[in-house]
Amino acid sequence: GDSVTQMEGPVTLSEEAFLTINCTYTATGYPSLFWYVQYPGEGLQLLLKATKADDKGSNKGFEATYRKETTSFHLEKGSVQVSDSAVYFCALSVRSSASKIIFGSGTRLSIRP
Amino acid sequence: EPEVTQTPSHQVTQMGQEVILRCVPISNHLYFYWYRQILGQKVEFLVSFYNNEISEKSEIFDDQFSVERPDGSNFTLKIRSTKLEDSAMYFCASSGGQNQPQHFGDGTRLSIL
Repeated sequence: GDSVTQMEGPVTLSEEAFLTINCTYTATGYPSLFWYVQYPGEGLQLLLKATKADDKGSNKGFEATYRKETTSFHLEKGSVQVSDSAVYFCALSVRSSASKIIFGSGTRLSIRP
Repeated sequence: EPEVTQTPSHQVTQMGQEVILRCVPISNHLYFYWYRQILGQKVEFLVSFYNNEISEKSEIFDDQFSVERPDGSNFTLKIRSTKLEDSAMYFCASSGGQNQPQHFGDGTRLSIL
């Protein structure tokens, strides 16, 4: 079945470091891909998305490129801030009558000042 | 920016009791969803709802669960006879179209004693 695998956390980085959180997926058909972020005590917020191969989603300095050949959607940011500390979820949605979202297990990111 | 609102933020209930979790989706959205996240685990799809009926449900969504849109604004999840393993964070989401991004509420933390 459809699934998402992302790197396990926690990930701890110093401020201004480069961030990569790996994500790969398995899906029938052509999924849309997402990164959601969950800040402490808050709900899930859509961070960025890509709906077809080679699309790049970007927001708040984060980027991810939809790679069909490697079935990947890795999240990157060139210079992280303390305020980026959160749990990041890679996710997919397959076009269907329901369009449910299938989430990865989440990666907790902590940024040291 | 419009948001999905969920009440209550925290619900504590005795095992075997009925519980109703409430959600107010974004006003012009047509697709509604419930997800849950057991502590430390991934976010899991429960059910999707469109045009006043269930579009898809997961194997978690058994006969103890039901959803309803009782009026033009609320979307509720009912658990008839709660079990300890129902303890989780429950997220409501809505979207404006079948393949539009889903917007999530902040969640209701359900604790079963």
